[in-house]
Amino acid sequence: NAGVTQTPKFRILKIGQSMTLQCTQDMNHNYMYWYRQDPGMGLKLIYYSVGAGITDKGEVPNGYNVSRSTTEDFPLRLELAAPSQTSVYFCASSYSMDPGLADTDTQYFGPGTRLTVL
Amino acid sequence: AQTVTQSQPEMSVQEAETVTLSCTYDTSENNYYLFWYKQPPSRQMILVIRQEAYKQQNATENRFSVNFQKAAKSFSLKISDSQLGDTAMYFCAFMKLRTSGSRLTFGEGTQLTVNP
Repeated sequence: NAGVTQTPKFRILKIGQSMTLQCTQDMNHNYMYWYRQDPGMGLKLIYYSVGAGITDKGEVPNGYNVSRSTTEDFPLRLELAAPSQTSVYFCASSYSMDPGLADTDTQYFGPGTRLTVL
Repeated sequence: AQTVTQSQPEMSVQEAETVTLSCTYDTSENNYYLFWYKQPPSRQMILVIRQEAYKQQNATENRFSVNFQKAAKSFSLKISDSQLGDTAMYFCAFMKLRTSGSRLTFGEGTQLTVNP
């Protein structure tokens, strides 16, 4: 299993440009998440999804959009990029169906995407 | 809303010694999970250990163990026989069970440096 993969690894955007950060997981996890990590800080939740076709806002959703058309993919869209969106973005996934499983609800993270908006 | 506090921004330890990282949290929930994640310079977020709040026994994973004090809302991480590869940022995280998407709330991290 590749786990959680993210593309691209690095990206520089100009103010006002748009882009999509890709996230794919091959663990058949039902829950997926997008976090951002600003320098010297912990991660903050942007959006999450509890299954295909279902998404919801996290702590810091403004300026972002998501969709979840398949179990495997959870892309994050930035519209009209701003310098405040300069950050490292992490995608994560977890399995949240069987409380008896030892691994239930543990989130596994992708390698991150470093985004700079100039 | 839940909050997680890591009061030690930086710590250092000599190789082979033991170090304890502190974490406190605030919640009105009774059922939840607590995690420690490690983030080395590669930036990858790596699960270190997890603790279910309903379990009284402290979780252990090889050289890593926790001291979970539910009444005090404290969740410290002990690293024994520290190794150079343990140098990383360590994040404590809280999860309310299966509501709001089982989201994680992170502390601000403790930078641990293991010195040779």
